[in-house]
Amino acid sequence: AQSVAQPEDQVNVAEGNPLTVKCTYSVSGNPYLFWYVQYPNRGLQFLLKYITGDNLVKGSYGFEAEFNKSQTSFHLKKPSALVSDSALYFCAVRDGYSSASKIIFGSGTRLSIRP
Amino acid sequence: GAGVSQSPSNKVTEKGKDVELRCDPISGHTALYWYRQSLGQGLEFLIYFQGNSAPDKSGLPSDRFSAERTGGSVSTLTIQRTQQEDSAVYLCASSLSFRDEETQYFGPGTRLLVL
Repeated sequence: AQSVAQPEDQVNVAEGNPLTVKCTYSVSGNPYLFWYVQYPNRGLQFLLKYITGDNLVKGSYGFEAEFNKSQTSFHLKKPSALVSDSALYFCAVRDGYSSASKIIFGSGTRLSIRP
Repeated sequence: GAGVSQSPSNKVTEKGKDVELRCDPISGHTALYWYRQSLGQGLEFLIYFQGNSAPDKSGLPSDRFSAERTGGSVSTLTIQRTQQEDSAVYLCASSLSFRDEETQYFGPGTRLLVL
């Protein structure tokens, strides 16, 4: 079985400050981890993924995420937030060892960046 | 168009009526997915199609839900005898192939309200 948790419904950050959106996961095999973003009035879109290799993954719009196997976490980060980063962010996981596994999404975290 | 399109964008129906939701995937994408996004919850997987293979219906919540994909392109999600708990945003996505998340694009969704 696999699952993903986003413990924060909302994160509020001032523009220019660093931001972190938390995600923890549970998977029996090899975790493939993803972040997606949903901007207001726009479709959900892929942001970045971790499959293997370097634990720090860089994605679109200056975002990055750090894979931590011991803490089973994959937190999304950005060094300096922009107002335009305000959106709904989803973490997702898939079991890479299972040929039949499907991607499972978290409940989402609403990120609000104030000017 | 270049993206995934869905119609209608909004649908209001009365309890007990049937509804059909349409998805036009990106041309050339062999995989097509349906998800449901309820308020305060993550994306719930419903069904996916991969090429000409039998669809994976494991996520459909009840036998009132069904989906077809004709000619490997357009897909229709049908909900029979709608219930109020069916109210949600129904998202369609397509990707070049199954589990090719980087090429997975989502449509804008159909917002369904069952009165």
